[in-house]
Amino acid sequence: EVRLVESGGGLAQPGRSLRLSCAISGFISENYALSWFRQPPGEGLEWVASISGKAYGGATNYAASVRDRFTISRDNSKNLAYLQMNSLTTGDTAVYYCARDSDDHGGYSLAFDFWGQGTVVSVSS
Amino acid sequence: EIVLTQSPATLSLSPGERATFSCRASQSFGDSLAWYQQKPGQAPRLLFFPASNRAAGVPARFSGSGSGRDFTLTISNVEPEDFAVYYCQQCYEWPLTFGGGTRVE
Repeated sequence: EVRLVESGGGLAQPGRSLRLSCAISGFISENYALSWFRQPPGEGLEWVASISGKAYGGATNYAASVRDRFTISRDNSKNLAYLQMNSLTTGDTAVYYCARDSDDHGGYSLAFDFWGQGTVVSVSS
Repeated sequence: EIVLTQSPATLSLSPGERATFSCRASQSFGDSLAWYQQKPGQAPRLLFFPASNRAAGVPARFSGSGSGRDFTLTISNVEPEDFAVYYCQQCYEWPLTFGGGTRVE
């Protein structure tokens, strides 16, 4: 069974940092690109960052709103993906989801067939 | 970036009725579009990718169509479990973008 389980969310003050983790099981993680999305309370979905699979060298892409503050990474040996979030602002408050790209060669279809249940990040003073 | 506009924002229906909603893009990109269903407190679920290809396990009452700039998601006979928010997402280029969603209530 394919599973993605996010953790690491919580309450942070503006300017501080958090690191989210995504634990992967049920598939060979290095064969798939992974992405992070977020959804502010009562709002729609927003793409945050993506990292390709091993065959494509772990290339990364970021939304403009988080570039230079957030870093996506992965440890294929541990079946984990991460989102390091620095210089947090109140605008980063959201449920953060980890998702698997539907392409099984490590590249990007840019559609996402399995999602975790999300972890809540609240940024407030 | 590609802007996706979904309409209507809300669709009020009764079980058994037909639901049709739209996703219009600011530029053309073939059929590189995905549709997702999201229920309260749950993660999104992939329904279609590309635009008319039903994902595994999606009931046949759901159909997707369109290419270029205009896309449509149809539910032929709405079931109680279909009441949710539906999002379109372009899978054509970075940055990935979503429409604002259509709530079926």
